Amino acid sequence: EAEVAQSPRYKITEKSQAVAFWCDPISGHATLYWYRQILGQGPELLVQFQDESVVDDSQLPKDRFSAERLKGVDSTLKIQPAELGDSAMYLCASSYSHGPANFRDEQFFGPGTRLTVL
Amino acid sequence: QQQVKQSPQSLIVQKGGISIINCAYENTAFDYFPWYQQFPGKGPALLIAIRPDVSEKKEGRFTISFNKSAKQFSLHIMDSQPGDSATYFCAGDYGGSQGNLIFGKGTKLSVKP
Repeated sequence: EAEVAQSPRYKITEKSQAVAFWCDPISGHATLYWYRQILGQGPELLVQFQDESVVDDSQLPKDRFSAERLKGVDSTLKIQPAELGDSAMYLCASSYSHGPANFRDEQFFGPGTRLTVL
Repeated sequence: QQQVKQSPQSLIVQKGGISIINCAYENTAFDYFPWYQQFPGKGPALLIAIRPDVSEKKEGRFTISFNKSAKQFSLHIMDSQPGDSATYFCAGDYGGSQGNLIFGKGTKLSVKP
């Protein structure tokens, strides 16, 4: 069964350091999402790609966060510099998204990267 | 601004009982309402979903009830099992084929044997 892959699974860093997370979506999935899930909360969208283009990055703290999906396949999310408040689970999801506008493709989530900033 | 309010925060149910989780939404642009199930250390997985033109949807032991006029929807888990112990998230989606999910804060369900 195809799955969304993420690495690393766990990351511990000190504040002001740079961190990067990698996501490989399910093959053929055009849309890729990065979510942040704070402990005890639901996931919140950070950035959404359609192929290699950013569709929505309105909730991405652009002063410190960046995301790219250069070839429209895998993606990297970077934080520089990390702050204590960035400690959270970072989830990647993908969906097929080639259908009409009124059809909703399921978002498949990866296992996430648990970030702890000390 | 929290657009999807979920309750309760936690729920303990005996094996064989009915688990009920409630959600209320504010954004009338939502046109798709999925429920996700998340086990510890895993990402959320789609459990069941409903569109607002339907009042109820049932898949096995899981049922969504939807009240468009009240802007509320709920998940019922019949004959709850210990394996159902997980965190459940409701969500609203307003974003066309690419999806734009707004999640509730989640309900941690524990089913006691």
